[in-house]
Amino acid sequence: GAVVSQHPSRVICKSGTSVKIECRSLDFQATTMFWYRQFPKKSLMLMATSNEGSKATYEQGVEKDKFLINHASLTLSTLTVTSAHPEDSSFYICSVGTSGIGQETQYFGPGTRLLVL
Amino acid sequence: DAKTTQPTSMDCAEGRAANLPCNHSTISGNEYVYWYRQIHSQGPQYIIHGLKNNETNEMASLIITEDRKSSTLILPHATLRDTAVYYCIVRGAHNTNAGKSTFGDGTTLTVKP
Repeated sequence: GAVVSQHPSRVICKSGTSVKIECRSLDFQATTMFWYRQFPKKSLMLMATSNEGSKATYEQGVEKDKFLINHASLTLSTLTVTSAHPEDSSFYICSVGTSGIGQETQYFGPGTRLLVL
Repeated sequence: DAKTTQPTSMDCAEGRAANLPCNHSTISGNEYVYWYRQIHSQGPQYIIHGLKNNETNEMASLIITEDRKSSTLILPHATLRDTAVYYCIVRGAHNTNAGKSTFGDGTTLTVKP
């Protein structure tokens, strides 16, 4: 399967600052990557679909101006949390979808834990 | 994507088989059953998927009923490291659906010594 990395693994920032999270597909050229958010003791919620070379597609209720996504290459997507606030503290996870004769399988990164003070 | 129902939690003795059920009674003909697991503070890990035939890989076996309305993930010899939240997801396998997995609450499997 695809190997996906994220950087940083955890970050602590002050309220009002912006934080960039990188998601890299190490062995697979991903035209599409996905960003999820997971609050404590909750399940994963899809935030947006990151498309290489075009604008991201956001899920309902996710502010595109707050969560900026850039997918400039086939191996890198970035999520920037702008003007972060304590309620943005969460576990952010990216994933890559791979196809096997029409069967898409997702491979996830290890996640980035964000704590906003 | 079809909705799935899983038990909230299960216990299993180390070394024994863990059988995790999933109901997906509204599954449609072109939807696959996927299983992922998430160990605490890590990203989800792909386990196995199938359409209608039973599947087996190095991690687990997937048994899908003939009517496809339910399935069971089997970990043949559970170890303490298999303690995790297990998610059963049903979705189409087409490119446009890639990644749009709807995660429910999953089953928290606790393997005990």
